[in-house]
Amino acid sequence: TQLLEQSPQFLSIQEGENLTVYCNSSSVFSSLQWYRQEPGEGPVLLVTVVTGGEVKKLKRLTFQFGDARKDSSLHITAAQPGDTGLYLCAGWNTGNQFYFGTGTSLTVIP
Amino acid sequence: EAGVVQSPRYKIIEKKQPVAFWCNPISGHNTLYWYRQNLGQGPELLIRYENEEAVDDSQLPKDRFSAERLKGVDSTLKIQPAELGDSAVYLCASSLGYSSYEQYFGPGTRLTVT
Repeated sequence: TQLLEQSPQFLSIQEGENLTVYCNSSSVFSSLQWYRQEPGEGPVLLVTVVTGGEVKKLKRLTFQFGDARKDSSLHITAAQPGDTGLYLCAGWNTGNQFYFGTGTSLTVIP
Repeated sequence: EAGVVQSPRYKIIEKKQPVAFWCNPISGHNTLYWYRQNLGQGPELLIRYENEEAVDDSQLPKDRFSAERLKGVDSTLKIQPAELGDSAVYLCASSLGYSSYEQYFGPGTRLTVT
């Protein structure tokens, strides 16, 4: 069961372009996280958001938690080849169950 | 500080055979997770432990999968008998607690069932 749907599933862009990845659910989440995973490795945490409407910035990455805590977005400005990877949203619902999203595979072409 | 350790890294078995995966979490982390991940998809939680107690095993296929975390430290996940559809990467993660705590992942075990 995947309660968190991500879009797009695949994204291939040129270096320097901007992009946004979306994470949506019909359920309310008490907190939401974004991870990045490279081939042959486990996911690595990028950010945690806990308050509806919260915006966090990490260098060229901007994360937003929806006001109703049912959705989130990740925006990357001026993408670089090092940003290539599988981006995963994940969260704890109000029943203390944890789910990962369906994943977005990003390829940045030099 | 050592990260989450998993072994083996790769395992190839024939269907109907048993297989076991081992995980040693980061020292002091009370919460341990086992996930299954198919290529290009998000990990699916199989079981979560708080110390020795399995607090969420709702997604664990209990007819063939079992897990244990003796003494609240390292953990073993077993499949018996394995099926072709069990081919996937099995990830172990640990954290200080649940909810908004960061999860630290091991490199995973890639299982191929032939």
